[in-house]
Amino acid sequence: EAAVTQSPRSKVAVTGGKVTLSCHQTNNHDYMYWYRQDTGHGLRLIHYSYVADSTEKGDIPDGYKASRPSQENFSLILELASLSQTAVYFCASRPTGGEVGQDTQYFGPGTRLLVL
Amino acid sequence: QQQVRQSSQSLTVWEGETAILNCSYENSAFDYFPWYQQFPGEGPALLIAIRSVSDKKEDGRFTIFFNKREKNLSLHIKDSQPGDSATYFCAASGPGGYKVVFGSGTRLLVSP
Repeated sequence: EAAVTQSPRSKVAVTGGKVTLSCHQTNNHDYMYWYRQDTGHGLRLIHYSYVADSTEKGDIPDGYKASRPSQENFSLILELASLSQTAVYFCASRPTGGEVGQDTQYFGPGTRLLVL
Repeated sequence: QQQVRQSSQSLTVWEGETAILNCSYENSAFDYFPWYQQFPGEGPALLIAIRSVSDKKEDGRFTIFFNKREKNLSLHIKDSQPGDSATYFCAASGPGGYKVVFGSGTRLLVSP
């Protein structure tokens, strides 16, 4: 069974503080993604990675960094958290390859972040 | 610029009716269109998907109708059940499919 886990599941942070969100997958997938979800905006891509030790910017990377130390782990780092970064964050993984059925992204349960 | 647009933020239908969720897109290079279903407190999960070479994809009570010329598609949920109440995201990706663009979602409520 494919599995993506996230920690913490919820967090309260102070403005200007550093926040690290972690993601772990046991799918043996090469691709991993970080999205944020806000009401009315759906899911927006922050960063993604297709190999360990390498990350790519998504559509809204400003204010976020990412780290992929291994195939299984992908972290999202907010160096200076701001009020506007209050959202639910989802991690996802996806296998490499374009065969039928391999385009599916598998999502974790999400991390609810509140910045005060 | 919203590349994938879902026309309704919310939709309410009665149990047993057919729910129709609409979606449109702008980028002609998109060739893969998944619909994801999300229940409260959970991550989205793939429900059904279609490739641009097809105009219809059916899986049980769920059917995607796709119109490449008009750049729109719809998800039909036949015989809607209260358990179908969830948020549905239309999404799209181009060749390779590594980056997916999501619509803003439609929250479906099926009333018993």
